[in-house]
Amino acid sequence: TQLLEQSPQFLSIQEGENLTVYCNSSSVFSSLQWYRQEPGEGPVLLVTVVTGGEVKKLKRLTFQFGDARKDSSLHITAAQPGDTGLYLCAGNTGNQFYFGTGTSLTVIP
Amino acid sequence: KAGVTQTPRYLIKTRGQQVTLSCSPISGHRSVSWYQQTPGQGLQFLFEYFSETQRNKGNFPGRFSGRQFSNSRSEMNVSTLELGDSALYLCASSLSRDRVETQYFGPGTRLLVL
Repeated sequence: TQLLEQSPQFLSIQEGENLTVYCNSSSVFSSLQWYRQEPGEGPVLLVTVVTGGEVKKLKRLTFQFGDARKDSSLHITAAQPGDTGLYLCAGNTGNQFYFGTGTSLTVIP
Repeated sequence: KAGVTQTPRYLIKTRGQQVTLSCSPISGHRSVSWYQQTPGQGLQFLFEYFSETQRNKGNFPGRFSGRQFSNSRSEMNVSTLELGDSALYLCASSLSRDRVETQYFGPGTRLLVL
């Protein structure tokens, strides 16, 4: 069983559409990170959220940490082909990082 | 600042052989973690080293081992390779700042076991 469940697992959308990816758990995390990974490469850090209810924006990407620090979401506005990749969330329990199952996003031009 | 580097980037081995992978963390980072990534299982935690000591270990067989040197560089070793060990092996170095730990990944080593 995965400590962090991501949904959806796969997402294929047209350029310009909006989307939201969810990362859910029954465990509490001291912090949560989002990464984007391209094929054959390592995950690249997008953001770290720490405080319950925290919202961070990175251009067209909006990240939210749940009030109870058990879940998070990533919203992309007006998706572009360059957003294509595997999105991973990772929660830190203070002892170890746990990774989500991943969401594979394809943005079609 | 240079990022996390991993060598080699690609490796082909046959069943029964052993392999050693290397990871150089970001300068100043003392913690290094190793992960195995496969399409079916996603990112699975192998182990974490901090100041040359193993701090955490995932649920992998004893064929998987690692170590960390005084300069924080780390190696992982897989002995008696099996076909199922084919994967992308990722190394991450981390730093704690204001009690928040952040991991940064290297490009990975793609291992193919034939």
